[in-house]
Amino acid sequence: DAMVIQNPRYQVTQFGKPVTLSCSQTLNHNVMYWYQQKSSQAPKLLFHYYDKDFNNEADTPDNFQSRRPNTSFCFLDIRSPGLGDAAMYLCATMSRGSYNEQFFGPGTRLTVL
Amino acid sequence: DQQVKQNSPSLSVQEGRISILNCDYTNSMFDYFLWYKKYPAEGPTFLISISSIKDKNEDGRFTVFLNKSAKHLSLHIVPSQPGDSAVYFCAASGSGTSYGKLTFGQGTILTVHP
Repeated sequence: DAMVIQNPRYQVTQFGKPVTLSCSQTLNHNVMYWYQQKSSQAPKLLFHYYDKDFNNEADTPDNFQSRRPNTSFCFLDIRSPGLGDAAMYLCATMSRGSYNEQFFGPGTRLTVL
Repeated sequence: DQQVKQNSPSLSVQEGRISILNCDYTNSMFDYFLWYKKYPAEGPTFLISISSIKDKNEDGRFTVFLNKSAKHLSLHIVPSQPGDSAVYFCAASGSGTSYGKLTFGQGTILTVHP
């Protein structure tokens, strides 16, 4: 089945220790997104890629970076995680030309100790 | 500034009855609206959508209504089933530079009791 896969599902890191979350997709979609969702809050868009074109949201902290080496993979790097970065991180994809229907992975739950 | 709001954190409904989930938005540039359903330990999955040129869209047991003048949309589930128990997110998008960018509400937890 075509899908969006996120690894790991659960990630524990220490305060200030860099961490990388990964997302892969078999849908061959050209748009990929990273969202942050804190408890009982709305998913918040961090950034997205149209193909290799990177689009950062204005209020995304500099601490968050992303890489997309090819169509299938996208990474979220948190350079110096703080306690406030503990959240669920959701990856999503969309086919350009489809009207806003995004396909989500199961998410990675990040804990910062 | 929360542009999409779901004011009811939770809703409890009896099996077979109607579930009505509500969503309000403030940005008049939004022209496309979606509902997503999320089960525990899974990502959100697309449920149904509506364009601003319509006021109703139906798909089986699910109907979405849009009231542009009130900046309000609602999702009706009839009849509700226990398997519908999940978190429901309303999302909105605009055209132009906002194309493909979704603004989500906080979600409503729906519980359908047998």
